[in-house]
Amino acid sequence: DADVTQTPRNRITKTGKRIMLECSQTKGHDRMYWYRQDPGLGLRLIYYSFDVKDINKGEISDGYSVSRQAQAKFSLSLESAIPNQTALYFCATSDSGIGFVVGDTQYFGPGTRLTVL
Amino acid sequence: GDSVTQMEGPVTLSEEAFLTINCTYTATGYPSLFWYVQYPGEGLQLLLKATKADDKGSNKGFEATYRKETTSFHLEKGSVQVSDSAVYFCALRRSQGNLIFGKGTKLSVKP
Repeated sequence: DADVTQTPRNRITKTGKRIMLECSQTKGHDRMYWYRQDPGLGLRLIYYSFDVKDINKGEISDGYSVSRQAQAKFSLSLESAIPNQTALYFCATSDSGIGFVVGDTQYFGPGTRLTVL
Repeated sequence: GDSVTQMEGPVTLSEEAFLTINCTYTATGYPSLFWYVQYPGEGLQLLLKATKADDKGSNKGFEATYRKETTSFHLEKGSVQVSDSAVYFCALRRSQGNLIFGKGTKLSVKP
């Protein structure tokens, strides 16, 4: 079984609709992240969470919100989807323990392909 | 701010050719550096990493050396295979813990 799972894997929605992307992990990691991938732009960070009570905005958080329901679950919501939010979305996790452990690895889910018409 | 610049693709090579994908970074301090690989239809996987200057990361025949003096972390492989066809991302780890990625380089290896 995959350590980091994302649902749905594919979604087509219409402009103005609310949509939620879900991420679950069985790695026992404290830290979770949401990225979006666009052709030619690499991955950009939307939100990240270092524990259940800690949520931080990334570089492109406008139009998105998140919820850390438990250590293992981190959801990304688009309150009112727009076409330029069409992208591939990745969830990732990492374990950095106490303080900053140099060189921690992030583990990625398989991605959710979202299309907003 | 922190940033990563990597060579634009796509890169097309014949099997057994030598591969270099250039990556340079801008950051305060000495960040950890990573190469991730994304195979078609999949998420990203860590390929290799280096945590301090002059460290060499290696995995699956790929290597990259952390060069502080040139702020570089170029990816190399001596003999590529068709199975190496993928998109390669260079990344640095910020002090806050999150990663900054380059735009990715698509590699296609022809038999």
